[in-house]
Order: sequence, then C-alpha cells, then structure tokens
Amino acid sequence: SQTIHQWPATLVQPVGSPLSLECTVEGTSNPNLYWYRQAAGRGLQLLFYSVGIGQISSEVPQNLSASRPQDRQFILSSKKLLLSDSGFYLCAWTVKGQDTGELFFGEGSRLTVL
Amino acid sequence: GQNIDQPTEMTATEGAIVQINCTYQTSGFNGLFWYQQHAGEAPTFLSYNVLDGLEEKGRFSSFLSRSKGYSYLLLKELQMKDSASYLCAVMDSNYQLIWGAGTKLIIKP
Repeated sequence: SQTIHQWPATLVQPVGSPLSLECTVEGTSNPNLYWYRQAAGRGLQLLFYSVGIGQISSEVPQNLSASRPQDRQFILSSKKLLLSDSGFYLCAWTVKGQDTGELFFGEGSRLTVL
Repeated sequence: GQNIDQPTEMTATEGAIVQINCTYQTSGFNGLFWYQQHAGEAPTFLSYNVLDGLEEKGRFSSFLSRSKGYSYLLLKELQMKDSASYLCAVMDSNYQLIWGAGTKLIIKP
C-alpha cells in the first residue's frame, strides 16, 4: 500500500533562519507531488507541484522554493524565513491520470516563525 | 476571480443529521471534492462529484448541482468523532484544486 510521510511534524524557527521540510512517498512510482500551506481560517494554498524529477511549478511568488531530487522525494525550503511563513504545511500526492484526482496528504508540519 | 464559500462553523447534536453547504464560482469545472480534517491532522478524502445528483457512502452523502454552482455534504447519525472541519474543493478547467476555508463542525452530546 501507498504511504506518505513528511517531517518534521513541528518546528519553531526564528525570523531569518533557513527551513527544510521533507516529504517521501512509498509504494508508488512517478506520482504528482504537491506542497500546500494552510493558514488559520483560510483555504489550502497550493505552493508548488511537481510532475516529475526536477520539474517544479510555483503557484505563489514568495521566499520559498521546492525541489524533487528523487522520484518520490519532495523538499520545501527557504533561505530566510519570514513571520508570514508560519502555518501548517502539507505534502500530498496523486496518481497520474486518475479521473478523480484524489489527494493523499502527509501528516503535516506545523511551522511557527518567531 | 475564483471563489468557494462554505459556512465557517456549524453545531449539531449527536445522532442528528447535518447538511454543510458549499457554493462555488470557478473558471471551469472538473469535479468537486469533500475532505474531512480533524484538528491538527491532515485532510482525508470523503467524496467526489462530477455529475449532478447525490452520491451516498454510508452515513455520508454528497450532492452536486452544476447549474447552481452548489454542493452539500450530508452527515447522518452524527457521532462525536465527526467533530472536524469539512473542506470543499473544486477542480477548475486547468485541473487545479480551489479550496474553501472549511466548515468547523461541532457535535454536542
């Protein structure tokens, strides 16, 4: 069966510090991968998605970046965090070509920037 | 612009029925999703509607009217574990998901 894991689950970082969130998918190959951010009282915001190794599409201009160094690995990074980067970050994957487009989410990473 | 509207919060009683509405305005339509999200956890898939009508899955049902840009999620025989946020999302013409802010459902004994 397919599983998705992301870490760390919780982190508190000072403004200006770097960030690295990692996500891996197991039990499937060539998935579409996504990074979302969820702020309180707002809908999920798509940050990045990837259809393959090294292929990243950015939905929102910001100080975050994403990379996909391996087929089932997706990394969210920042060189210098801002207060506004605080939120709940979710990695997700879908099966390519699936009609329903059902998203499978990781456990989430709660980031607090102080 | 694209917009998904759903109530911020609803309260219901254990054992009762509750209907959570979602209205949408999007550029194109390729399906509507409902997800359940417990506090501090990731969303989990509940239902998918792409044609008009009612889809039933156990205690949960989801309805879609494309002409009205409207959907609802119906939860029957409410249990305490149904306390969660319910997210409505629409897939637009570019196959991108547009998310509502979610409806927090509070179940009282």
